[in-house]
Amino acid sequence: KAGVTQTPRYLIKTRGQQVTLSCSPISGHRSVSWYQQTPGQGLQFLFEYFSETQRNKGNFPGRFSGRQFSNSRSEMNVSTLELGDSALYLCASSLAAREYGYTFGSGTRLTVV
Amino acid sequence: QQPVQSPQAVILREGEDAVINCSSSKALYSVHWYRQKHGEAPVFLMILLKGGEQKGHEKISASFNEKKQQSSLYLTASQLSYSGTYFCGTEAGANNLFFGTGTRLTVIP
Repeated sequence: KAGVTQTPRYLIKTRGQQVTLSCSPISGHRSVSWYQQTPGQGLQFLFEYFSETQRNKGNFPGRFSGRQFSNSRSEMNVSTLELGDSALYLCASSLAAREYGYTFGSGTRLTVV
Repeated sequence: QQPVQSPQAVILREGEDAVINCSSSKALYSVHWYRQKHGEAPVFLMILLKGGEQKGHEKISASFNEKKQQSSLYLTASQLSYSGTYFCGTEAGANNLFFGTGTRLTVIP
């Protein structure tokens, strides 16, 4: 059974550019959540999608957006990149979070220079 | 909405016990516990639900005090493989999980 797949694994972008990250959840998982992980801040919640609808959104600026497709794959977009956006971006999928928790992907390491 | 974890870091010798605490200012529906090893994705350990029972497997267990909105993770007779950063995630009923800043656990021989 394939796990949560995130692409690309590493990315280097320049300030002001935009970036799109991709997440393929485990087959059958309809909930996909995105987190930003930085040293000292832990995992910061970005947003959560379920059946193509954004159900929840964290406290991030509008430059961070996402979407989910009919096959549950999700993308996250960050526009006008800032140096502070450098982080590990983790995607997590769930079948039923309150029973089985979340399964995380290995993340995309974004470096903004 | 980020829960508070304590301690921030702990060093144990093999065979020693540890307790990691997690508290929230919000009424919680569930508490999740995850472990992340360096360079790897966080891995789900267990979930505790409001009104549910204390959970555990082998030497890792957890409790959830609904009145205080607190959860504790208990690691007994620690092994080298227990090293990593432990995160609690709290859910206040909106299907989104907020994580604490983590507790770095190091087990030494």
